[in-house]
Amino acid sequence: EAGVAQSPRYKIIEKRQSVAFWCNPISGHATLYWYQQILGQGPKLLIQFQNNGVVDDSQLPKDRFSAERLKGVDSTLKIQPAKLEDSAVYLCASHFKGQTIPDTQYFGPGTRLTVL
Amino acid sequence: RKEVEQDPGPFNVPEGATVAFNCTYSNSASQSFFWYRQDCRKEPKLLMSVYSSGNEDGRFTAQLNRASQYISLLIRDSKLSDSATYLCVVNLDRGSTLGRLYFGRGTQLTVWP
Repeated sequence: EAGVAQSPRYKIIEKRQSVAFWCNPISGHATLYWYQQILGQGPKLLIQFQNNGVVDDSQLPKDRFSAERLKGVDSTLKIQPAKLEDSAVYLCASHFKGQTIPDTQYFGPGTRLTVL
Repeated sequence: RKEVEQDPGPFNVPEGATVAFNCTYSNSASQSFFWYRQDCRKEPKLLMSVYSSGNEDGRFTAQLNRASQYISLLIRDSKLSDSATYLCVVNLDRGSTLGRLYFGRGTQLTVWP
């Protein structure tokens, strides 16, 4: 079974520029998550989708971050404009309740963003 | 207060050693519990679930104490390949969907020959 796909794997931009990340979850997984992982910390949830609807975006900095999952499959996360503190790994994860054992989330390889 | 607290380490142990990691969680409504492993510059991967009765997978044993809101992971006979960061994770289930996963900051383990 194919895992969660993400692209690009690495991105370097200057502050105030825009950047977008793409994620394709495991086939059939209805729930998709975007996490931010800053060096030395655990992943922090940014947004959770159930199909094409947002379940939880309480920790998404909405002044600069946006995300969509229009057809309920793949998703994009955008940062506009980027700040130095956005340098992190952006992880996408997916889940389908009861389909996997154990019943938990599975992660993609992440996009490592460096903001200069 | 953070949802999940872990000692970040690092733990440096020789091959063959036994090492234990602990974590505590703040929300008593948490429903499910996991240990994830994260290799350097890689994504987190599920290591094992944690059950109230305790569970074992080869050299790895996980324990959960709901009363104390405490989770542990024991690694016996450490191998060089066990070197990684171990993330303690808790979840508030939301019925038909999986709730938010809360991650600890991770405990770094280095096993040396």
